[in-house]
Amino acid sequence: EVQLVQSGAEVKKPGESLKISCKGSDYHLSTYWIAWVRQMPGRGLEWMGIIYPGDSDTRYSPSFQGQVTISVDKSTTTAYLRWASLRASDTAMYYCARSVGPEYHFDSWGRGTLVTV
Amino acid sequence: IVVTQSPATLSVSPGERATLSCRASEIVSGNLAWYQQKPGQAPRLLIYGTSTRAAGTPARFTGSVSGTEYTLTITSLQSEDFAVYHCQQYNRGVTFGGGTKVE
Repeated sequence: EVQLVQSGAEVKKPGESLKISCKGSDYHLSTYWIAWVRQMPGRGLEWMGIIYPGDSDTRYSPSFQGQVTISVDKSTTTAYLRWASLRASDTAMYYCARSVGPEYHFDSWGRGTLVTV
Repeated sequence: IVVTQSPATLSVSPGERATLSCRASEIVSGNLAWYQQKPGQAPRLLIYGTSTRAAGTPARFTGSVSGTEYTLTITSLQSEDFAVYHCQQYNRGVTFGGGTKVE
């Protein structure tokens, strides 16, 4: 079974930086796109952006452009979501999810990383 | 594209049928998926391409479309079906609806 393994919960202060991770197992990460999805407490899902590990092609939702950075380390088959300066409004669960294209459904999800600011 | 789900909450009894609605502000050409999310868990893909069940999705889950309204129907609700259901369009960009809680 395909698994996306996410890093653990984080508690940070406003203004601090943070990078969370998502590692693919049982398949080669570079053959699929990896998206990041935000879920604020008690709210729905929000697509933040997506990256193709094969060539680092990255696309962002207008709502998150400039607010976060999505990157990938091909040597460790790990995708990252980074904030340069956290705000209290960044408190949420963050999921990574896999798809076969930049505009597609997601057939595998990580368990989520809870970020509390 | 704005995706609107209704109702926000659906109260049903085990064994009954549940009908969930999802509308997009533009035509999405069948590029719509449904996910199930249980408390404390990640979403799980149920249906994609309007009506194709993902691996492991029971036959009691059916996706359909009529005009611009996409529908997820759950026939004979089982205890494990009580959850939040999200729809997602991926025809132009990617957007999710606000979810429907089936209680």
